[in-house]
Amino acid sequence: RKEVEQDPGPFNVPEGATVAFNCTYSNSASQSFFWYRQDCRKEPKLLMSVYSSGNEDGRFTAQLNRASQYISLLIRDSKLSDSATYLCVVNSRDDKIIFGKGTRLHILP
Amino acid sequence: EAQVTQNPRYLITVTGKKLTVTCSQNMNHEYMSWYRQDPGLGLRQIYYSMNVEVTDKGDVPEGYKVSRKEKRNFPLILESPSPNQTSLYFCASSLWSDGQPNYGYTFGSGTRLTVV
Repeated sequence: RKEVEQDPGPFNVPEGATVAFNCTYSNSASQSFFWYRQDCRKEPKLLMSVYSSGNEDGRFTAQLNRASQYISLLIRDSKLSDSATYLCVVNSRDDKIIFGKGTRLHILP
Repeated sequence: EAQVTQNPRYLITVTGKKLTVTCSQNMNHEYMSWYRQDPGLGLRQIYYSMNVEVTDKGDVPEGYKVSRKEKRNFPLILESPSPNQTSLYFCASSLWSDGQPNYGYTFGSGTRLTVV
């Protein structure tokens, strides 16, 4: 099993729809989890941290499922500007930070 | 403004000509790291540093050197660049706590390097 795995997509969804994608991780000792957003040829930017209790920021909801070892990102009422690649990031206890390869999202008008 | 500054943004060079990509952060972050990003391969860590004078190899360190003489600076050195080092490079920094960079990265804007 890969250390961090994401469906590469692309996910093509109409504007206004709800979309969700998951990221699985292999190291059960992983401690910190993040979602990043990356626009084409630009630097990744922190979207949100993922807490054990789940967290919400406007239209975005992130959740952690430790038992099944995955994190999820839900985007409600999607906007054209949400089109990007979404990277999940997992920090392990041994100083290792692992990026997923990203899920591409296209919001269609 | 809190930021990570990389220079240059674009660089075309010839095989074997030593080059340095600079990275500087103004957030007093302990942890700094270099990544390269290639299509289909995602972000791969080259080197990282947990503090001044402390550096360690990431997943793809061959052909690269780094140094951390000051907390704010973390230059990436290619002593003898080769075409397979053509890539998009990112520097990133983070606070360090509880044994890991816990608060997420701030990335520089990237350096697009072409080695011919």
